[in-house]
Amino acid sequence: DADVTQTPRNRITKTGKRIMLECSQTKGHDRMYWYRQDPGLGLRLIYYSFDVKDINKGEISDGYSVSRQAQAKFSLSLESAIPNQTALYFCATSDAGTAYGYTFGSGTRLTVV
Amino acid sequence: RKEVEQDPGPFNVPEGATVAFNCTYSNSASQSFFWYRQDCRKEPKLLMSVYSSGNEDGRFTAQLNRASQYISLLIRDSKLSDSATYLCVVIDYYNNAGNMLTFGGGTRLMVKP
Repeated sequence: DADVTQTPRNRITKTGKRIMLECSQTKGHDRMYWYRQDPGLGLRLIYYSFDVKDINKGEISDGYSVSRQAQAKFSLSLESAIPNQTALYFCATSDAGTAYGYTFGSGTRLTVV
Repeated sequence: RKEVEQDPGPFNVPEGATVAFNCTYSNSASQSFFWYRQDCRKEPKLLMSVYSSGNEDGRFTAQLNRASQYISLLIRDSKLSDSATYLCVVIDYYNNAGNMLTFGGGTRLMVKP
């Protein structure tokens, strides 16, 4: 099994629908992140969490919310999806003690029509 | 202005060629620098760290110029398998969030037979 698992891998949804992307990890890392990738823009940080009771907005949090249900689980919600949220979404984890130990999930390709 | 800037490419090179990518960063307090590799529609993976003294890993050489806030990646003897997008990544320690990754938009490399 992958260290960081994202579900679903692909999703097509309609404008206005609520959708949740899920992330679970077996790394035992405290820190979890949600990134969004658009062509030519690299990865941009949406939300991050340093432990179960800690939630922080990233660079582009508008239109998104998150929930850290447990150390191993961090979900991203789009309350009312819009077409410009069509993107590739990555979950990542890291160890608080190191700058090098980031592990990324395989990504969720979301299309909003 | 983007914090981390890269030429998006694509760089189209023949097998065996030497190719260099550049990256500039805007935060002079940035402390750690990396190159990630991302294959099409896959997650980014750490290629190598970038040290002030420069460092080499096989055919790959990374350089850092702090005075010019500039990072480079040199790939010698390009292989078909080097075709990917190369992401310049900076970590800033001097913000409230601790160790956070900032990604450049990526440079796409296509190695042709």
